[in-house]
Amino acid sequence: GNSVTQMEGPVTLSEEAFLTINCTYTATGYPSLFWYVQYPGEGLQLLLKATKADDKGSNKGFEATYRKETTSFHLEKGSVQVSDSAVYFCALSDSVYGNNRLAFGKGNQVVVIP
Amino acid sequence: NAGVTQTPKFRILKIGQSMTLQCTQDMNHNYMYWYRQDPGMGLKLIYYSVGAGITDKGEVPNGYNVSRSTTEDFPLRLELAAPSQTSVYFCASSYSILAGGDKADEQFFGPGTRLTVL
Repeated sequence: GNSVTQMEGPVTLSEEAFLTINCTYTATGYPSLFWYVQYPGEGLQLLLKATKADDKGSNKGFEATYRKETTSFHLEKGSVQVSDSAVYFCALSDSVYGNNRLAFGKGNQVVVIP
Repeated sequence: NAGVTQTPKFRILKIGQSMTLQCTQDMNHNYMYWYRQDPGMGLKLIYYSVGAGITDKGEVPNGYNVSRSTTEDFPLRLELAAPSQTSVYFCASSYSILAGGDKADEQFFGPGTRLTVL
């Protein structure tokens, strides 16, 4: 079945540092890939997405490229701010089954220190 | 638009009690979903619906029931609450993939319900 694997553990870094969160996936068909962000006490919000191989999704300074050859969708940001502190989830949607079901990774807590 | 709204925000139940978590969306989305979020475990799909009158099981449906009598509402029912159902519950909605376009596969989430079963 479809699954998403995110790197283990929280990420703590200083303001203006470079952020990378790794995400790899297993899927049949041609899934769309997503990064969702969850700020403290809130629901998930879509951060960015890519729908086909080599697409790059970007939003708020974050980027991720759909790499079919390595089945990866790593999230990057060149200079993080304290306001980027949140939990980040990688997800995939395989619409072959016609229901937009999402499979989520476990999430990574990101803490940005001033 | 209010988007996806959920009530209540918090609830404490005793073992064996029942309750309904409410979810409403005003975006005219065909698809709706219920997830539970446990610490360090990501989100797991409980039930989903592709339209009024149609529901189906997700990954972790045991102990829950749903109904979808209208496009807007998708309540989640816990009949006999158990400590294992202590979690944060999120409702989400999306357009049908048949709608096509750039927004067809984005899910919109409610703020969540934090449930504790003691």
